[in-house]
Amino acid sequence: RKEVEQDPGPFNVPEGATVAFNCTYSNSASQSFFWYRQDCRKEPKLLMSVYSSGNEDGRFTAQLNRASQYISLLIRDSKLSDSATYLCVVTNFGNEKLTFGTGTRLTIIP
Amino acid sequence: GAGVSQTPSNKVTEKGKYVELRCDPISGHTALYWYRQSLGQGPEFLIYFQGTGAADDSGLPNDRFFAVRPEGSVSTLKIQRTERGDSAVYLCASSLTGGTGELFFGEGSRLTVL
Repeated sequence: RKEVEQDPGPFNVPEGATVAFNCTYSNSASQSFFWYRQDCRKEPKLLMSVYSSGNEDGRFTAQLNRASQYISLLIRDSKLSDSATYLCVVTNFGNEKLTFGTGTRLTIIP
Repeated sequence: GAGVSQTPSNKVTEKGKYVELRCDPISGHTALYWYRQSLGQGPEFLIYFQGTGAADDSGLPNDRFFAVRPEGSVSTLKIQRTERGDSAVYLCASSLTGGTGELFFGEGSRLTVL
């Protein structure tokens, strides 16, 4: 079983809609969680960290469920510029290594 | 520029050849990571340096892969006896201290082994 699993999509969503995707992780000792964004043929960039209490950054909301070992990303009022691959990232306690999921591809349709 | 710089951006080589990929991290960043990414996959961890030392090399797939960072800045990823399965984008990232979760990636070196 992969350490971090994501639905690869693609998710094709009309502009203005709300979209959400989940990521599950297998190691219960996982400590820190992040969402990265990767545009086509570009490098990944940090989108947001995920905190235990959940956190929001503009139209983006991230949530963590430690009991069920998943994190989620919600995008409200989606824009064409949100089209990208969203990568779920996990680190484990005492380890600086970041483990990436396969990514979920999102396309916003005009 | 002030970002992570990787060279070459593209490398085509023949099976069995030796390849070196270079990474110049953001100035002052002590942590440096190498990942590789195949089409449709997420970045796969290879090795992590803290300063000059390899703090975690558990992702190196076999002994054909080796990386160095002799002065704690520039790093070189070395691949011996390349195989077609080594074809991927090799991404380098740096972080101010490591452990913060924010990695700054370079644009990658696309390696094609014929």
